[in-house]
Amino acid sequence: RKEVEQDPGPFNVPEGATVAFNCTYSNSASQSFFWYRQDCRKEPKLLMSVYSSGNEDGRFTAQLNRASQYISLLIRDSKLSDSATYLCVVSADPGAGSYQLTFGKGTKLSVIP
Amino acid sequence: DGGITQSPKYLFRKEGQNVTLSCEQNLNHDAMYWYRQDPGQGLRLIYYSQIVNDFQKGDIAEGYSVSREKKESFPLTVTSAQKNPTAFYLCASSNGQGRSNQPQHFGDGTRLSIL
Repeated sequence: RKEVEQDPGPFNVPEGATVAFNCTYSNSASQSFFWYRQDCRKEPKLLMSVYSSGNEDGRFTAQLNRASQYISLLIRDSKLSDSATYLCVVSADPGAGSYQLTFGKGTKLSVIP
Repeated sequence: DGGITQSPKYLFRKEGQNVTLSCEQNLNHDAMYWYRQDPGQGLRLIYYSQIVNDFQKGDIAEGYSVSREKKESFPLTVTSAQKNPTAFYLCASSNGQGRSNQPQHFGDGTRLSIL
């Protein structure tokens, strides 16, 4: 099983739609979780950290389900500017070295006018 | 403005040549990282450094070397031993000596190609 798995998409949604991405991870000892966005040919940028209780930042909501080992990202009222690749990022087992983050390959979102 | 600066933006390497990619940060972060991204692939860790004068191999260190003589700087050398160097190279930094509960912040990358 891959360490961090994401549906590559693309997800093509109309402006104003709500879209959700899931990401599964294999290491049950992972402690920290993040969503990044990456625009075409650009560097990844932190979108939000994912907390155990779930968290919201404007139109974006992140959830963590430890029992099923997945995290999710919900985008409401999609904008054209949300078009990007969304990367799921999971920390390694702290006992194996606290430095590492594992990046998923990303889910591509295209918001259509 | 605080941030991470990578240079050059584009770099071309000839056969048998070593090239060095620069990464400088003024965020006062302890930890710095180098990743490689190939088209359609996730980021893969090359090297990382949690403090000055210390660095560790990541998953794909062969054919690469680094140094960390100053907190602000973490240059990456792509040696001639790296047979497939064409990729997008990303430098990142984080606070807290690389504890994984700290997010990493990225420079805008260097695209390396073979001539």
